[in-house]
Amino acid sequence: DIQMTQSPSSLSASVGDRVTITCQASQDIGKYLSWFQQKPGKAPKLLIYDASNLETGVPSRFSGSGSGTDFTFTISSLQPEDIAKYYCQQYDNVPLTFGGGTKVEI
Amino acid sequence: QVQLVESGGGLVKPGGSLRLSCAASGFNFSDYYMNWIRQAPGKGLEWVSYITSSYNIIYYADSVKGRFTISRDNAKKSLYLQMHSLRVEDTAVYYCARESRGKIDYWGLGTLVTVSS
Repeated sequence: DIQMTQSPSSLSASVGDRVTITCQASQDIGKYLSWFQQKPGKAPKLLIYDASNLETGVPSRFSGSGSGTDFTFTISSLQPEDIAKYYCQQYDNVPLTFGGGTKVEI
Repeated sequence: QVQLVESGGGLVKPGGSLRLSCAASGFNFSDYYMNWIRQAPGKGLEWVSYITSSYNIIYYADSVKGRFTISRDNAKKSLYLQMHSLRVEDTAVYYCARESRGKIDYWGLGTLVTVSS
């Protein structure tokens, strides 16, 4: 199974700050990585797919980069509504696997 | 718009069985692969199972293999998860999720399964 190591597990930042989360895969997954946002009591929402493609309707302050084993997710200017937990997920191989999540607080 | 609505969750004793359903609308269900993904209370996301659009390929997580069965009825636009021999560690919110070109793009609201004596 492909292990996804996400860091940090939590962070605190101010409104307007640039926030960066990293995700490392235990083997090469090419570009097959998504980033999800999950707010308390809600289902996850797709933000980024294929490592760097912004899902339709998602604000442009969210971005993703990377390929192979190392990936980065960035919020260019943190907004109050971005308070949530963020997960990376690989879909190169079954079983699909997720990172442990990053809780973003203000 | 795409909607996925799960049902069938509830409280069940260890060793018991439960059948989850997911009703799909707003898209051509038969064209898409579908997944079940779960989240234990306060924990992260765990993929459970996957079925292709034409039923011919099915995968399970090792943690549920032999106990859970995924199925679908394209005519009824529905996805199912039959769960047997339930364990306390199966307690979770179970999400139905659509897969499009490899990526999971839509999730249902989830249904809570609680396994407890």
